Amino acid sequence: EAGVTQSPTHLIKTRGQQATLRCSPISGHTSVYWYQQALGLGLQFLLWYDEGEERNRGNFPPRFSGRQFPNYSSELNVNALELEDSALYLCASSLGTSLAKNIQYFGAGTRLSVL
Amino acid sequence: SQQGEEDPQALSIQEGENATMNCSYKTSINNLQWYRQNSGRGLVHLILIRSNEREKHSGRLRVTLDTSKKSSSLLITASRAADTASYFCATEYAGGTSYGKLTFGQGTILTVHP
Repeated sequence: EAGVTQSPTHLIKTRGQQATLRCSPISGHTSVYWYQQALGLGLQFLLWYDEGEERNRGNFPPRFSGRQFPNYSSELNVNALELEDSALYLCASSLGTSLAKNIQYFGAGTRLSVL
Repeated sequence: SQQGEEDPQALSIQEGENATMNCSYKTSINNLQWYRQNSGRGLVHLILIRSNEREKHSGRLRVTLDTSKKSSSLLITASRAADTASYFCATEYAGGTSYGKLTFGQGTILTVHP
């Protein structure tokens, strides 16, 4: 069974541009989560989507947005890129949100570099 | 901001020794999970312990949870060089705006020397 897949593996952008990161969850998982791992700041929760709806959002500006498609895959969009957006972006998926199903399985991440 | 504190920040041991990492958190939780990360890549889920559990085992891993002290520990027994990685605790806080999200500690970097 395939795990969580993320693309691209690496992404290089310049300040002010937009970045789009993609994530495919494990088959059967309906929840997708996005985290940012920046140097010195650790792993920070960004967004959670379940059944196509945004369910929760971390403390990030509105230029971080995303969506979940009917097949449960997800996109993270970062507009007006800033240098401090350089980080590893991790996507995770889970079966659901009940206590019995909320183990989050992570992809290998997309490393975004903003020059 | 990080809610969890982990210690030590770095741990260096010899193969065959045991490694213990600790995690503290701040408010009531639904569960606490431990993850491993190799060289800045994706996280691998190790074990989940629920707030009503006190101890859990999985292979060479033993996790304890003390909700009165708001702390957890991860013990890796008979460590191997392949255990070299960063280890993170992650908590799912109970209720409100914390629903569904994991809050990670800063992590412990474990180095196991052959």
